[in-house]
Amino acid sequence: KQEVTQIPAALSVPEGENLVLNCSFTDSAIYNLQWFRQDPGKGLTSLLLIQSSQREQTSGRLNASLDKSSGRSTLYIAASQPGDSATYLCAVRDTGANSKLTFGKGITLSVRP
Amino acid sequence: AAGVIQSPRHLIKEKRETATLKCYPIPRHDTVYWYQQGPGQDPQFLISFYEKMQSDKGSIPDRFSAQQFSDYHSELNMSSLELGDSALYFCASSSIGPRPGDTQYFGPGTRLTVL
Repeated sequence: KQEVTQIPAALSVPEGENLVLNCSFTDSAIYNLQWFRQDPGKGLTSLLLIQSSQREQTSGRLNASLDKSSGRSTLYIAASQPGDSATYLCAVRDTGANSKLTFGKGITLSVRP
Repeated sequence: AAGVIQSPRHLIKEKRETATLKCYPIPRHDTVYWYQQGPGQDPQFLISFYEKMQSDKGSIPDRFSAQQFSDYHSELNMSSLELGDSALYFCASSSIGPRPGDTQYFGPGTRLTVL
């Protein structure tokens, strides 16, 4: 059974800092990995999707990397801003007939002005 | 661009009542997924449909049922509601069937509160 872990559960940084959010998964046989952002009580906004054959994806100040063999992904946020404060969830999609996403519990980021 | 629409956005029910949540996928998307996110928890997969047929099933209680209609919208029916059913229910849709490569686009969610 796939398990996705995100540590730490919370992170507080000063504005302008570059930061890395980590995600690990137990079964490396995945089709893709997706990073989401969730504001309190709100929906899920997809940030980046990395196919299993890819090593990284970039969108603006965000860069996500994937090391499938070691079961790890990182989300790099450059020059963090208070507006980046939210919970960031990592989700993996397994191989096989199962089409669901398995989520981590998320990292709650607070960027201090 | 059109997004996934969920209704209602908020719902308050009493224990043992029933509830129906609706999901309207992005136009031309053929697959719908339902997820449940309890307070402080990660989203858990419930069930999915592809071309109006159930394609996958997760941790969905027997008290819940769902279907996808000919216009591709989906409804999640919840009976004998329990306090523990209070959660945010997300619907997601994708465009190329339940093959693993596609991106799932999430709706804003329906917040269900059971009193």
